[in-house]
Amino acid sequence: DMKVTQMPRYLIKRMGENVLLECGQDMSHETMYWYRQDPGLGLQLIYISYDVDSNSEGDIPKGYRVSRKKREHFSLILDSAKTNQTSVYFCASSLSPNSQNTLYFGAGTRLSVL
Amino acid sequence: GDQVEQSPSALSLHEGTSSALRCNFTTTTRSVQWFRQNSRGSLINLFYLASGTKENGRLKSAFDSKELYSTLHIRDAQLEDSGTYFCAAVPGNSAGNKLTFGIGTRVLVRP
Repeated sequence: DMKVTQMPRYLIKRMGENVLLECGQDMSHETMYWYRQDPGLGLQLIYISYDVDSNSEGDIPKGYRVSRKKREHFSLILDSAKTNQTSVYFCASSLSPNSQNTLYFGAGTRLSVL
Repeated sequence: GDQVEQSPSALSLHEGTSSALRCNFTTTTRSVQWFRQNSRGSLINLFYLASGTKENGRLKSAFDSKELYSTLHIRDAQLEDSGTYFCAAVPGNSAGNKLTFGIGTRVLVRP
């Protein structure tokens, strides 16, 4: 069953706390992504990972870092979360970085930073 | 984003009718993907196009890379077609698969 799994689905944190969002995929996809979705802004790319330890900044990387130690897992880390990082975060994967490959999305993580 | 302009922002359809969504691109675009997001927030890939047209059931999409636009046609709309539709483009000067998303078209199909 081809799937992108995100954990947790919902998370509430206080400003200044660290946040770890996890994503897994069972399709052996090379490329993985983290997006955030905010009303009126669509989805914005935070980071893209081309393979293990091969990560690249997206359009809005400030305040985030990522970790990819295994091909099937891609983590998004917020060190000292800010209230403006309240958002819905989506992880996605694709077979390769080739632009011909479609993206498969996880169900999202709704993060509230108070 | 600014590079991908979706219209209309919202659309209301009666069951059985047809309509079209549009994305205009402000820069050269190598490929476009269309997604639908349902009420629970799940994003489903509908189409990938590098050129031409594709059809899947009652949905049909076209991409004109020269005129910088893509369309998504919904034929004989059903209640389950409701959701927010996003187009996403790979700009011509972009490395890899960095998609730029439009802000979406919210579609509501009424009985």
